[in-house]
Amino acid sequence: TQLLEQSPQFLSIQEGENLTVYCNSSSVFSSLQWYRQEPGEGPVLLVTVVTGGEVKKLKRLTFQFGDARKDSSLHITAAQPGDTGLYLCAGPMDSNYQLIWGAGTKLIIKP
Amino acid sequence: DTEVTQTPKHLVMGMTNKKSLKCEQHMGHRAMYWYKQKAKKPPELMFVYSYEKLSINESVPSRFSPECPNSSLLNLHLHALQPEDSALYLCASSQGAGFGFRGRSEKLFFGSGTQLSVL
Repeated sequence: TQLLEQSPQFLSIQEGENLTVYCNSSSVFSSLQWYRQEPGEGPVLLVTVVTGGEVKKLKRLTFQFGDARKDSSLHITAAQPGDTGLYLCAGPMDSNYQLIWGAGTKLIIKP
Repeated sequence: DTEVTQTPKHLVMGMTNKKSLKCEQHMGHRAMYWYKQKAKKPPELMFVYSYEKLSINESVPSRFSPECPNSSLLNLHLHALQPEDSALYLCASSQGAGFGFRGRSEKLFFGSGTQLSVL
């Protein structure tokens, strides 16, 4: 069974600090996606990583896909209050070609 | 236009009511989805429509009835719901419906959701 485990589940830090969120699995994924969801809104796709070892940057956010394509990380540099939200990783299931979701990391950036 | 529009934004209904949630997209996407999301949890897939045909039903109770009148519209008809059905209901769309199929990497576009409360 394919599973995605995210850690930490909750993170509250001060503005300006750096942080890393993890998405791990014992299964290989063809790709992984990261979404951010704000309260009362739907998730918004941030990035898709496809190649093992791939690094993608989106302003202060850096996404990495593990060499073995079993894990991914999201690093935020100099976090801002606008980064507050629920960060979800998701990857395609082999069984039905739909997304399986991690449980999410709730991130709060305090001014 | 990269929006998925959902109405209503909020809905309160009694257990004997019948109501419908509506979703619309004009991106030419051929796949549309209904997800249910409880607070602080990830979205749970309910239904997938591909080319206007129901392709996946994740064992959802019959009190939830999806409908896809055309390629741009998706409805979710609600009847005799239970209080535990209270949740955020999200509609989403993508170009195709096969995540990872033949290595394809789809992008999922979500609406803002309908916050449903069942009393």
